[in-house]
Amino acid sequence: DSGVTQTPKHLITATGQRVTLRCSPRSGDLSVYWYQQSLDQGLQFLIQYYNGEERAKGNILERFSAQQFPDLHSELNLSSLELGDSALYFCASSAIGSPRGTEAFFGQGTRLTVV
Amino acid sequence: AQKVTQAQTEISVVEKEDVTLDCVYETRDTTYYLFWYKQPPSGELVFLIRRNSFDEQNEISGRYSWNFQKSTSSFNFTITASQVVDSAVYFCALSGSSGGSYIPTFGRGTSLIVHP
Repeated sequence: DSGVTQTPKHLITATGQRVTLRCSPRSGDLSVYWYQQSLDQGLQFLIQYYNGEERAKGNILERFSAQQFPDLHSELNLSSLELGDSALYFCASSAIGSPRGTEAFFGQGTRLTVV
Repeated sequence: AQKVTQAQTEISVVEKEDVTLDCVYETRDTTYYLFWYKQPPSGELVFLIRRNSFDEQNEISGRYSWNFQKSTSSFNFTITASQVVDSAVYFCALSGSSGGSYIPTFGRGTSLIVHP
């Protein structure tokens, strides 16, 4: 168990809809990352938050947004969903900035299917 | 920009064979970190090891060993006496210190199939 919790595990929704994926990081980790894993693109970095502030952006579509709350949990919002958004979405957390190390620990992922 | 290349898309071995998974990286950072992750069929990503750029000492953990060579920008992973439970996709990743973000960049992964 990595200590990172993601909900829900599976999500099936229709095109055009909006969904919210939730992530609770490991206790004490201030940094949260979101990744998208698809067969053709591999593991793509979407966005990073650190202690409530956006730290870095990757290949995140404008239809997607995220935030990190004061209790450090994070949410990834996906809107106007398209078939191509079907993928496994991972949240990860790390303790960067502390002696605990820079490795990212991943949640079990949310498998999103857009039909 | 940083880049990780795992040239082997899929490796198939028979149980008890040794297998080496290759990883080559590119980065401009002088301080960086290398990782290996395992993704079993169940889908979760499991952290295996971290290596710091300033520590080229090889590491062994049971049947797993890692060979870090800065001169060739490689961080290879060897499984000795492979077992069926080792069947998974293995990812090599790199994060650099520039900007303080330490964002892991992943290779495309190597699918390891161990046959009984």
